Amino acid sequence: AQSVTQPDIHITVSEGASLELRCNYSYGATPYLFWYVQSPGQGLQLLLKYFSGDTLVQGIKGFEAEFKRSQSSFNLRKPSVHWSDAAEYFCAVGNTGNQFYFGTGTSLTVIP
Amino acid sequence: EPEVTQTPSHQVTQMGQEVILRCVPISNHLYFYWYRQILGQKVEFLVSFYNNEISEKSEIFDDQFSVERPDGSNFTLKIRSTKLEDSAMYFCASSELRGRASEAFFGQGTRLTVV
Repeated sequence: AQSVTQPDIHITVSEGASLELRCNYSYGATPYLFWYVQSPGQGLQLLLKYFSGDTLVQGIKGFEAEFKRSQSSFNLRKPSVHWSDAAEYFCAVGNTGNQFYFGTGTSLTVIP
Repeated sequence: EPEVTQTPSHQVTQMGQEVILRCVPISNHLYFYWYRQILGQKVEFLVSFYNNEISEKSEIFDDQFSVERPDGSNFTLKIRSTKLEDSAMYFCASSELRGRASEAFFGQGTRLTVV
């Protein structure tokens, strides 16, 4: 069965510091992987996605993620965090029918 | 930029009452979805809808739930007799295509509180 694990419930980083949010998945076939961000009062916004090809994926807002099949991971990174990045981040696995399996989310706090 | 809009943003209802959550998908999209997130838990798939019928549904989507596209623009989720455990954030999504070729766009969610 498909599942996604985000082991970090809450992360706090200083503005300007680097960020890595962890995501591990379980999926029987080649996964379609996504990172979404949710700011307070906002919907889920797609940051980036991986379907195939280059395992390092670039997204919006300076985010990137790397697909590592051997580790079943799809960690999200950003070299320098901005205060506006404070939000809830969700990793998801998609199937061929657009059914998404989400992780529980990681809440990011950015301190000045 | 096109977006999925959901109304209301917050709904409070008494247990046993019927609620209808409304969504306006992106206009040229053909596939529609409802997801929910109980506080502190994962975002869970409820149902997908295409060509005026349900194409997939999860075990959560029991007889208490129904979906409808009453006109060319709205997509609704109805809960017939709400229970306390229906309290959650409900997300609507839409996509132009189905599967890996397509990105699903999500609305801002409706927070349903059942008291």
